[in-house]
Formats: sequence, C-alpha cells, structure tokens
Amino acid sequence: QSALTQPASVSGSPGQSITISCTGTSSDVGAYNYVSWYQHHPGKAPKLMIYEVTNRPSGVSNRFSGSKSGNTASLTISGLQAEDEADYYCSSFTTSTTWVFGGGSKLTVL
Amino acid sequence: QVQLQQSGPGLVKPSQTLSVTCAISGDSVSSNSAAWNWIRQSPSRGLEWLGRTYYRSKWFHEYALSVKSRMAINPDTSNNQFSLQLYSVTPEDTAVYYCAREISAGWDYWGQGTLVTVSS
Repeated sequence: QSALTQPASVSGSPGQSITISCTGTSSDVGAYNYVSWYQHHPGKAPKLMIYEVTNRPSGVSNRFSGSKSGNTASLTISGLQAEDEADYYCSSFTTSTTWVFGGGSKLTVL
Repeated sequence: QVQLQQSGPGLVKPSQTLSVTCAISGDSVSSNSAAWNWIRQSPSRGLEWLGRTYYRSKWFHEYALSVKSRMAINPDTSNNQFSLQLYSVTPEDTAVYYCAREISAGWDYWGQGTLVTVSS
C-alpha cells in the first residue's frame, strides 16, 4: 500500500488560513469516508484533529476543518496561531482493511 | 479517561525480536467498539501503521503488508493489554513505537511512545 501524498511543507502567517492536501486513490481516500488528520509535535504522541473526513473530536478548536473531494482530502486551519506549528499527517482506511498514512506536512507559522 | 501505558526494551539486536506491551486502563482490550493498533514513527518514514487487533465475537488481527510476514499482535485479556512482536529486526526497524486506540475511524488515545533502537 503506497503512502498518501501530502505536500512536504506549508506555511502561513498568524491569522491566515492554510490548506493541506492528501491525495490517495480509489482504494483508500476515494473508497470510504474514513480519513483522519493528526497533529504531531516532536517528542509527543500524535493528536487526533479530524476523523471521518469532517468530524472534530471534543476539545479540538473549530479553526480546524476537513473535507474531501474524490481521491483528495484536505485539512484547513483558519486563524493560524503559533501553536499550530507542527507536522500534520492524514490517514485513510483502505479496501485491503488496512490503514495508510500520508508522508506528513510540516507547517511553519511565519 | 482512557490511558495507554507502554513498556519494553529500548535496544534490540539485529535479527532478534522486538517486543512492546501496551497496558490499557479506562477501556477493555475486548471492547466491541474499539480496535487496538500499533503505529511507528521514524524520521525517514514518518508515521507508519503496523497493525491492529480487535474483538467482534471473535478476535481479528490485521497487519500492514510491509511487516505482515514477521509481526504479531497478541491481546491479553487477563491483564487488559496487548503486545507487539516484530521478528527478525534490522536497523530499518529503529523507530518510536506507539500503541493507540482506534474508535470511529480515528486513533483518539495514544501511548507515550517507546523508542526502540536496533543495533548490535
């Protein structure tokens, strides 16, 4: 199972909005609404930010939102804050009943 | 509140077996709504899903193709924990290993991570 494709890096200024894309295939992202997004700060466990494409867990800021079109899912962060600087990973369930991650995107808040 | 507590050696020799255990509190390894996963993270490969176990009237085990031939996940209902065994390790298996609870198609609780280095 090949990894999902994410941009290696994204950046934005405080207060701006950014979008991170996650491109897969009809065997993963396009097959189910089982795409999730994780925020990962070095040295800490990843944190679930979005599940089932659009759902936010309790306690996650509504500045984070998810969407999907075809084989591409997206994470949008609005009103960028310095604390949002981290690595972001998407993940999708696959038709092989396995999970696959994206390669990760490093978000820099300028 | 769910907590996952990992334990295991931090150094394993090449060709030997890597073993990490994840003790669960606040939920059950036999839950009919959760799955129990192993995920690793390395600088070169980012996050990599390894496999999961779950109970739905019987036990299911699913593994990533990349490790399927040399990996096992074992649930331990007596101690409410599950373990990872990765056989015949090489330096490429050096990573931080995480256990995580999967529910509603997302990993909502994670262990603290175990850095495992494969080196002679």
